[in-house]
Amino acid sequence: GEDVEQSLFLSVREGDSSVINCTYTDSSSTYLYWYKQEPGAGLQLLTYIFSNMDMKQDQRLTVLLNKKDKHLSLRIADTQTGDSAIYFCAESTDTGRRALTFGSGTRLQVQP
Amino acid sequence: DAGITQSPRHKVTETGTPVTLRCHQTENHRYMYWYRQDPGHGLRLIHYSYGVKDTDKGEVSDGYSVSRSKTEDFLLTLESATSSQTSVYFCAISDSQETQYFGPGTRLLVL
Repeated sequence: GEDVEQSLFLSVREGDSSVINCTYTDSSSTYLYWYKQEPGAGLQLLTYIFSNMDMKQDQRLTVLLNKKDKHLSLRIADTQTGDSAIYFCAESTDTGRRALTFGSGTRLQVQP
Repeated sequence: DAGITQSPRHKVTETGTPVTLRCHQTENHRYMYWYRQDPGHGLRLIHYSYGVKDTDKGEVSDGYSVSRSKTEDFLLTLESATSSQTSVYFCAISDSQETQYFGPGTRLLVL
């Protein structure tokens, strides 16, 4: 079955690095995603990684994928107060319906 | 949110009344989805569509129906709203790739 788990809360100081972790159970995942949700807003796609990759970097964001352990992480370098939000991990499996299974989200609080 | 709108953005209704939420896209994407977001549950799939008049159920479809008569519109209907359907509803779209893009959401309160 499909299940995606994340820790609920992370607090960091401005300028530090943030690492948000996610574990998933479906070994047939094709893509894994990170979305950001600010208060009262929709989900904004931050980045995604294909399952045959182990790392992807995009400016301040680094995604690491350990397929053996089914572990995904998002590292935000030089975290800013504007990065405060809820971050969702999601997986897509090749089921034909192309729907996503989401974790329950990690709330990142950045302290000045 | 570019290219995806949802209406209404907020709605308050009473138990037992029908409610229809609309998702409209200007991207001509084939796939459209309805999710609900509740505290502690992330987003859960209600229904999805893989083309005009082609729809299927998601994991939490009970009490909901959908219709897609045009590529650009995907309607979600609560036939008889219940308090357990109080939630934030998100529409998403996807093309032949698997990445989904989300609308701004509709906050529904059922009293």
